[in-house]
Amino acid sequence: GAGVSQSPSNKVTEKGKDVELRCDPISGHTALYWYRQSLGQGLEFLIYFQGNSAPDKSGLPSDRFSAERTGGSVSTLTIQRTQQEDSAVYLCASSPQGAGGELFFGEGSRLTVL
Amino acid sequence: AQSVSQHNHHVILSEAASLELGCNYSYGGTVNLFWYVQYPGQHLQLLLKYFSGDPLVKGIKGFEAEFIKSKFSFNLRKPSVQWSDTAEYFCAVSNAGNNRKLIWGLGTSLAVNP
Repeated sequence: GAGVSQSPSNKVTEKGKDVELRCDPISGHTALYWYRQSLGQGLEFLIYFQGNSAPDKSGLPSDRFSAERTGGSVSTLTIQRTQQEDSAVYLCASSPQGAGGELFFGEGSRLTVL
Repeated sequence: AQSVSQHNHHVILSEAASLELGCNYSYGGTVNLFWYVQYPGQHLQLLLKYFSGDPLVKGIKGFEAEFIKSKFSFNLRKPSVQWSDTAEYFCAVSNAGNNRKLIWGLGTSLAVNP
């Protein structure tokens, strides 16, 4: 597709379960970002991938969160042992090199932890 | 630490009214500034951006924003709003050397009544 694709669009899980969220960026975009948006909050940076460089993981809130990007394309965000406070919309964005901060966002994955 | 403040959380206007959404940031260095918009049911998209040069930048759909360095502000304006401008508006800032860590405001919800 032409845009950033995220799946699932909605995920309801029980506390303690693991979840995986997928992001398929725009073809050719070298940068990929994960953000979290909670109700009434701004966008919280989680992790950033740029080409073959080591990812910037400085925004991950705990060691229960991890992400990988395979082959410089698709990325998976994994949350282990989910907690209720993990409930949020997880947004993925990609950017071509040299875009100077213009991010192209997916529609997000809404996670609800019961 | 960098922060972004959007003064209005909810704004309600009638069509043809003028719009100004405030955005102030705290950061002493050189910044890149952005406004993103999220229309109902759609993903976040770039409205306009400022990197350098003319502090008055024009974006899509008749929006403009003015960077006033002395006031650490980047207010968004539109002289005459339309019903289709109903959306959530986010201001974001990054230091000029680190575009990946955009710092986001909490957003302003704009409702335009026909």
